[in-house]
This record gives sequence, structure tokens and C-alpha cells, in this order.
Amino acid sequence: GENVEQHPSTLSVQEGDSAVIKCTYSDSASNYFPWYKQELGKGPQLIIDIRSNVGEKKDQRIAVTLNKTAKHFSLHITETQPEDSAVYFCAASRSSGSARQLTFGSGTQLTVLP
Amino acid sequence: DVKVTQSSRYLVKRTGEKVFLECVQDMDHENMFWYRQDPGLGLRLIYFSYDVKMKEKGDIPEGYSVSREKKERFSLILESASTNQTSMYLCASSQPAGELFFGEGSRLTVL
Repeated sequence: GENVEQHPSTLSVQEGDSAVIKCTYSDSASNYFPWYKQELGKGPQLIIDIRSNVGEKKDQRIAVTLNKTAKHFSLHITETQPEDSAVYFCAASRSSGSARQLTFGSGTQLTVLP
Repeated sequence: DVKVTQSSRYLVKRTGEKVFLECVQDMDHENMFWYRQDPGLGLRLIYFSYDVKMKEKGDIPEGYSVSREKKERFSLILESASTNQTSMYLCASSQPAGELFFGEGSRLTVL
């Protein structure tokens, strides 16, 4: 089955700096890669996703890049703000859009220092 | 606003007790899920339901069962709770090819 590895497990950045979280996956058939943000005391929420026919996707301060050859994808957050502090999960699926097939990474605790 | 509601945010149970975790969604979603969240392990799928009375085992179903008698409600059952089931449990729902919506979680402690 699919295996998703996520690094780093914890990340601290100064407010205004950029943050990068990286994930690798094992199943070359995976074609859908979402990212979830979990704020303290809440459930995870989808913040951005990318499909295998696209190399990069941006939404305001967040972007995701995908390297299919190397089987890794990354989340980039620019101009970080205190409200970006949360746990971030990457995931991969071989069935585009099917939540049943999602395999999650282990999570990254991002702390934005004021 | 979409909503997945988990009935209990915090539970403390004794080893051997039967535990029910309830989840209700108001989005008329076909699919419902139960995940377990542990530090360093991410989210692991326990059970999945794609229709009323239909269920499918996830990656870690041992020690758990589920019930889906109505479309909006999905229950996770621990027949005989054990200390290694102390965890955060997350319910989620989605349309067949749609986004996952999570509840706020139920933190279970088994003593």
C-alpha cells in the first residue's frame, strides 16, 4: 500500500518568514495530494490540493509543488502569520478525489513566532 | 455552513467498558469515516461507510466496529475498551469524489 512520509515533525519560523513542509510517497500510481490544516481543538480542514497533471498550485500565501519523478510534494507558506500556527498533514491517494484511498503523513506542528 | 458533529469531546472510560462514539453530519453526504489520530502517526482510517448499513474496514479495524442506520449518523463502537485505544478519534464525511469534512474530534482516555 501507499506510504507517506512527512518532514519535519516540528517547525518554528519567525513571523513574516516562509515555511516549507515536505512529503514523499511510495505509490507511483498516486495522483491526488491534499494538504490539511488542524488548528488547536479543531478537526483538520482542507487548505489546498494538487493533482498529478499539475506541477504547482497557488492560493494567496500558500502553494503546493509536486515532483512526480521524485515522488515528493511540498507545501510552501509565505509571509507567515501567527494564525498559520497549526498542525499540517499531507496526504496521497491513487484514486483522485476518493477520500477512501487517502493515506496521511504523520503531521508537522508549525509555530509562527511573533 | 457544513457541519460534522461529534457528540463527546472528552471521554474517560475503564478497561473493558463498551464505548460509543457518535457522529452526525448535516450535509447529506454519502460517505462517512472514522479516523484515529496519534502523535507521530498521523490519521489512520478505522472504518468507512459509503451508504446506510454499508461499511468497509480501513487500515486499523481491530477492536472496533461501526454502525450506520441513518445516512446522517455514523457510530464507532469499542466493544471492550483497552488502554491502547486511548487516542483522538475523528469523524469525517464527504461526497463520493468530494472534499473530506472533519468533526472536532473525541479524545478518549481508557484507564
